[in-house]
Amino acid sequence: DVVMTQSPLSLPVTLGQPASISCKSSQSLVSSDGNTYLNWFQQRPGQSPRRLIYKVSNRDSGVPDRFSGSGSGTDFTLKISRVEAEDVGVYYCMQGTHWPPWTFGQGTKVEIK
Amino acid sequence: DVQLVESGGGLVQPGGSLRLSCAASGFSFSSYWMSWVRQAPGKGLEWVANIKEDGSEKYYVDSVKGRFTISRDNAKKSLYLQMNSLRAEDTAVYYCARGSGMGVWGQGTTVTVSS
Repeated sequence: DVVMTQSPLSLPVTLGQPASISCKSSQSLVSSDGNTYLNWFQQRPGQSPRRLIYKVSNRDSGVPDRFSGSGSGTDFTLKISRVEAEDVGVYYCMQGTHWPPWTFGQGTKVEIK
Repeated sequence: DVQLVESGGGLVQPGGSLRLSCAASGFSFSSYWMSWVRQAPGKGLEWVANIKEDGSEKYYVDSVKGRFTISRDNAKKSLYLQMNSLRAEDTAVYYCARGSGMGVWGQGTTVTVSS
């Protein structure tokens, strides 16, 4: 199974400052079809998860452009250019290249300093 | 609007059974894989099961194989998860999600396995 490792697990940030979350996979997530199936999800307190980014860098509809995804192979990053109060929550990466199983990272908790 | 609404959760004794349902609306249900994902109290997300658009392929996380069954009724735009031989470690909020990429999520339904 592909293991997804996120860091840091806790990320205190100052409002208006950037934030970055790393996600590393135990093997390359490049699929035989040439796509890389790495998604990012946000879970605000008390809410269901919401997908922010699919296939590494594609923002879902309605996702603010302060969120961006990048990376390749086994190393991926979610960046928030300027953190807002509504960005507080837990962020998960997930791989959908080598399945089953589909696997999530442990989650990174973003909080305001 | 695209919407997924789960139901069927509750309190059940160890060894018992529950059937979760997920009602879809606002999109062509029969055109999507569907997923079940769970979240134990205070823990992260865990994929549980997926089913192909026509139900011809089904996949499960090892910990539920032989106990859980995913199914769908495209005419009713509904997804199901039959859970048998439930254990305390199955206690979680269960979410249904659209697609294997999980682009849309429901609000979740809570399953508690306890005596």
